[in-house]
Amino acid sequence: EAGVTQFPSHSVIEKGQTVTLRCDPISGHDNLYWYRRVMGKEIKFLLHFVKESKQDESGMPNNRFLAERTGGTYSTLKVQPAELEDSGVYFCASSLWTGWGDTEAFFGQGTRLTVV
Amino acid sequence: AQSVAQPEDQVNVAEGNPLTVKCTYSVSGNPYLFWYVQYPNRGLQFLLKYITGDNLVKGSYGFEAEFNKSQTSFHLKKPSALVSDSALYFCAVRDVYAGNNRKLIWGLGTSLAVNP
Repeated sequence: EAGVTQFPSHSVIEKGQTVTLRCDPISGHDNLYWYRRVMGKEIKFLLHFVKESKQDESGMPNNRFLAERTGGTYSTLKVQPAELEDSGVYFCASSLWTGWGDTEAFFGQGTRLTVV
Repeated sequence: AQSVAQPEDQVNVAEGNPLTVKCTYSVSGNPYLFWYVQYPNRGLQFLLKYITGDNLVKGSYGFEAEFNKSQTSFHLKKPSALVSDSALYFCAVRDVYAGNNRKLIWGLGTSLAVNP
């Protein structure tokens, strides 16, 4: 069974440019999460999809970040325009929706974004 | 507010010795607790979780963790460390009664170095 895959693995862009990160969750996983780890700081939640719906987007830093999950399959996270402080590792994770308890979340390898 | 503390940035242990990576948490209700590991150039891998039941939880690669409600701790342990256990370890928590709020709150991570 394929795990969570993220693309690209690395991205270096200039300040003001646009970058789109992609996440393919494990097939059948309705929950999809985006997290970010800025160097030296803790991993922070960005948002949570259940199928195609945004369940919780309380962690999105500002309106320069846009996440979508059309059709409830893969998800994209667009940063436009990118700023220096957006640099970090962006992790995607997926898990089964069980209604009450939770299966553990399976993580992708992350996308390392560097804004210069 | 929910929080996780991993008081040690780095833990050093000799191969064959027991290891402990500490984690304490704060949630308003009952916790779901998780340990993840990140090997160099890899994504986050699930190690183990505590949901309910037995306070001693066994996970992957010979790791275990003990949930201590009175001390609000969930320390990760292994009886005999291997050099291959050297990695970055993250503790995470979620509030059981958070309803549809499924986000994980993370510690800063602890770098484990096992010396031959």
